[in-house]
Amino acid sequence: EAQVTQNPRYLITVTGKKLTVTCSQNMNHEYMSWYRQDPGLGLRQIYYSMNVEVTDKGDVPEGYKVSRKEKRNFPLILESPSPNQTSLYFCASSGRDDLAKNIQYFGAGTRLSVL
Amino acid sequence: QKEVEQDPGPLSVPEGAIVSLNCTYSNSAFQYFMWYRQYSRKGPELLMYTYSSGNKEDGRFTAQVDKSSKYISLFIRDSQPSDSATYLCAIRGRGAQKLVFGQGTRLTINP
Repeated sequence: EAQVTQNPRYLITVTGKKLTVTCSQNMNHEYMSWYRQDPGLGLRQIYYSMNVEVTDKGDVPEGYKVSRKEKRNFPLILESPSPNQTSLYFCASSGRDDLAKNIQYFGAGTRLSVL
Repeated sequence: QKEVEQDPGPLSVPEGAIVSLNCTYSNSAFQYFMWYRQYSRKGPELLMYTYSSGNKEDGRFTAQVDKSSKYISLFIRDSQPSDSATYLCAIRGRGAQKLVFGQGTRLTINP
C-alpha cells in the first residue's frame, strides 16, 4: 500500500530535550515536505526537499532541522524543543507528475507537546 | 496581510443542504487553486484543483475561481454526514513548489 508513514503519532517531551520525528514514503517520490498545523493558522511549511541532499526552508524553519540522505526518508529534528513548537506536524510527499497536478500525499500526523 | 484568508467556521448545516466554502488571496501571481479535505485525526487529502477562472465540477463538488476578485469557492451539493471534515484551500504560483494553505473551515453535516 502506497503511504507516508510518520512516527511517533503522539509525543510529549520537555523543553530542551532533542527529538526526531521520522517520515518515510514508499512511493519513490522526489519531493517531501514538513508542515505544522496550528488552530487559526492552518498548515505552514517548515522545510521541503526536492530530492536527496536537496533541502530548503519553508515559511517557519526556525528551531527545526531536516536531512534527506535517502529518497524515502525525511526526518524532522528539533534540537532544543520549546513550548511554542507544540503543534500537529504533517509530512507530505509528491512525485514529479503529482506535483504538476498539485497532489501531495500526507502522513497521518504527529501530535507533539513540549512542556 | 496573509496570502490566503479562509473563514475558520465552524460551519454546521443539515444533511442535504448546499454548502459554500470560501477563500480570498492577495497575490495575483498565484495560478493553481486547490481544495483539500481533512478528516479528524487524518492528514489532508486533495479533493479538487483548478488553474483557471470558472467552475470545475466533480460529482457533488464544484470548485469556482474568480481571478479578478482573487476569490475561490467550493460548493458541496446534497451534503452528507460523511462530508463532515475540515476543508482547506491551497494556492500555488506557477513554477513554485510551495503550497500556501488557508486556515481551514471545520464543517459538520447534521443527519
